[in-house]
Amino acid sequence: DSGVTQTPKHLITATGQRVTLRCSPRSGDLSVYWYQQSLDQGLQFLIHYYNGEERAKGNILERFSAQQFPDLHSELNLSSLELGDSALYFCASSVSSDSVQETQYFGPGTRLLVL
Amino acid sequence: AQKITQTQPGMFVQEKEAVTLDCTYDTSDQSYGLFWYKQPSSGEMIFLIYQGSYDEQNATEGRYSLNFQKARKSANLVISASQLGDSAMYFCAMRVHYSGGGADGLTFGKGTHLIIQP
Repeated sequence: DSGVTQTPKHLITATGQRVTLRCSPRSGDLSVYWYQQSLDQGLQFLIHYYNGEERAKGNILERFSAQQFPDLHSELNLSSLELGDSALYFCASSVSSDSVQETQYFGPGTRLLVL
Repeated sequence: AQKITQTQPGMFVQEKEAVTLDCTYDTSDQSYGLFWYKQPSSGEMIFLIYQGSYDEQNATEGRYSLNFQKARKSANLVISASQLGDSAMYFCAMRVHYSGGGADGLTFGKGTHLIIQP
């Protein structure tokens, strides 16, 4: 158990809908990262928040957004869902922000299926 | 842009044998971190081992060691005395700084599916 929690574990929804994925980082970690794992694209970095502020963006679609709240939990919002958004979405956390040496610990993931 | 290449889509290894999973990387940064993660069939991502670009010694963590050859830009994972529970997907990943000075997210390879046979 990494100490990172994600809810829900599974989510089934329809095209055009909007969903929210939730992540709580490990105790003491200030950084939260979101990743998408799909068969087509593999594991891709989406976005990074540090202590409530956006720090880096990866291959995140405009239909997707995220935020980190004062209690450090984070939410990833996916809207106007398409079939291709079906994937495993991971949240990861680390203590700080800008060290390339720091290990990111991953949550169990949310498996999203868009029908 | 940085890139991770894992050339072995799948590997079959006999139990108790050592196995080497290949990883090559491409970056123009001098400072970077290299990571290996394990993903069992249950789906979670488990951190295994880390190597920093300035580390002179190869990293070791229990049965895992990293064969780091900086000039060749390779960071191969070595698992000694493989066990049935080692069957999983293995991902090599890298983190570098972006132009603003902060650190980017992890860049992953496509992974190697390792199957340990009894």
